[in-house]
Amino acid sequence: QSALTQAPSVSGAPGQRVTISCTGSSSNIGAGYDVHWYHQLPATAPKLLIYGNNHRPSGVPDRFSGSKSGTSASLAITGLQAEDEGDYLCQSYDNNLRGWVFGGGTKLTVL
Amino acid sequence: QVQLVQSGAEVKKPGASVKVSCKASGYTFTTYGISWVRQAPGQGLEWMGWITPNNDNTNYAQKFQGRVFMTTDTSTSTAHMELRRLRSDDTAVYYCARNGRVAQADYWGQGTLVTVSS
Repeated sequence: QSALTQAPSVSGAPGQRVTISCTGSSSNIGAGYDVHWYHQLPATAPKLLIYGNNHRPSGVPDRFSGSKSGTSASLAITGLQAEDEGDYLCQSYDNNLRGWVFGGGTKLTVL
Repeated sequence: QVQLVQSGAEVKKPGASVKVSCKASGYTFTTYGISWVRQAPGQGLEWMGWITPNNDNTNYAQKFQGRVFMTTDTSTSTAHMELRRLRSDDTAVYYCARNGRVAQADYWGQGTLVTVSS
C-alpha cells in the first residue's frame, strides 16, 4: 500500500471541475511537509504540476490549483479538457520513512 | 533548459546487477540533488533514494538499503544508480529526477526500462 491514499479514478465532462484528494498521516502531510502533484501520461515520465501545496511551475495553466489541510491535500482542475486525461499523483515527505512517499495515483477520464 | 537524459533499456538475469545513468544539462549539477524513483508495470511510483552531488551524501529508502548504490560524476554532470542482486520484481521503469527547492521532483529523466528475467 502507498503511504498516501488516492482514489483510483475520477471522471468529468469537458468544462467541468473535478477534485482529486490525497490522504496522508501525521508522519507526512499532517507533520507539515509540502505536497506536490504530478501528471503522468501512459509510457511517459511524470510532469510536475503543483509544488509546495499550491504553487504552479511556469507553463502550468491556472486551471490547476492545490490546497492542503490537516493530513490531506487536494488538486482541483477547472474547465476540464481532453488533454487533462491521465494519472495524477501526489507526493510528500515522510519523517518515519525519512524519504519521499507517493500516492497510488488517480486516473482522470474526460467523458 | 534543464534536461535529464538516461541510459537505455537493460535486460538482466536474476542475481545480476544493473547500473543506470542520468546525464544532466542546463543547470549547475552540484546545486541540486538527484532522486531515483521506479515504477513497476501498472503500479505507482516508488522512491528509492537520493544523492547530493556536491558532497555525495546519500539517503536510501530502507527497502533498498544494501542493494542500491548511488554515485555522481561531477566532471560529466552524470548521476548513476546501481541496483544489485536483481529479482524479477525489480522489473520496472527507473527514473532519475532533480530535487527542487521544496523537495519536489521538478525535472525528470525519460525513464529506463530494466527487465529482470531468466
